[in-house]
Amino acid sequence: GVTQSPTHLIKTRGQQVTLRCSSQSGHNTVSWYQQALGQGPQFIFQYYRKEENGRGNFPPRFSGLQFPNDSSELNVNALELDDSALYLCASSLAPPLGNEQFFGPGTRLTVL
Amino acid sequence: DQQVKQNSPSLSVQEGRISILNCDYTNSMFDYFLWYKKYPAEGPTFLISISSIKDKNEDGRFTVFLNKSAKHLSLHIVPSQPGDSAVYFCAAGSLTGANNLFFGTGTRLTVIP
Repeated sequence: GVTQSPTHLIKTRGQQVTLRCSSQSGHNTVSWYQQALGQGPQFIFQYYRKEENGRGNFPPRFSGLQFPNDSSELNVNALELDDSALYLCASSLAPPLGNEQFFGPGTRLTVL
Repeated sequence: DQQVKQNSPSLSVQEGRISILNCDYTNSMFDYFLWYKKYPAEGPTFLISISSIKDKNEDGRFTVFLNKSAKHLSLHIVPSQPGDSAVYFCAAGSLTGANNLFFGTGTRLTVIP
């Protein structure tokens, strides 16, 4: 299945953080979502063939990478208090939308 | 602006009865709809989907109904089981647009034994 690391993370405002995701075997598309407390997941961006393939309403300090083995990283610079959330990674077969997305358990980020 | 809305934060149902979870959307470009189920400390798990060319899709105990004119969909679970207790998210997207999903805020279903 989809795995994410670390499980929990505490950072202070202004710091930078890197979250990691290993996609399900055979999947080459990775999407990242942010889930704030009491809200549904919000789309951050998607990577397909190591290129960004769609982006939600998030500032450029949210960036990502996809590696040759299709795993992915989410980087957030200049952390703000509002970045505290559960970050979910989902993998799927190639776009278009319609292919089931398999979610990892998430990384809980707390910004103090 | 919340494009997908789940107006009931919680729902309690007796075991064996029907659970009906509702979802409304505002964007007429959405043509693909999904329901996800989430247990604590786990990621959302895909449950069932429907495209806008259909108005009903069934998978075992789960049925999703789509009313395009009302921009409304619902998930029916019959019969409800205690193991169905979880948070249910409705999600929507466009098959011809960007490859992202818009989620509702979720409904916590509790099935009482």
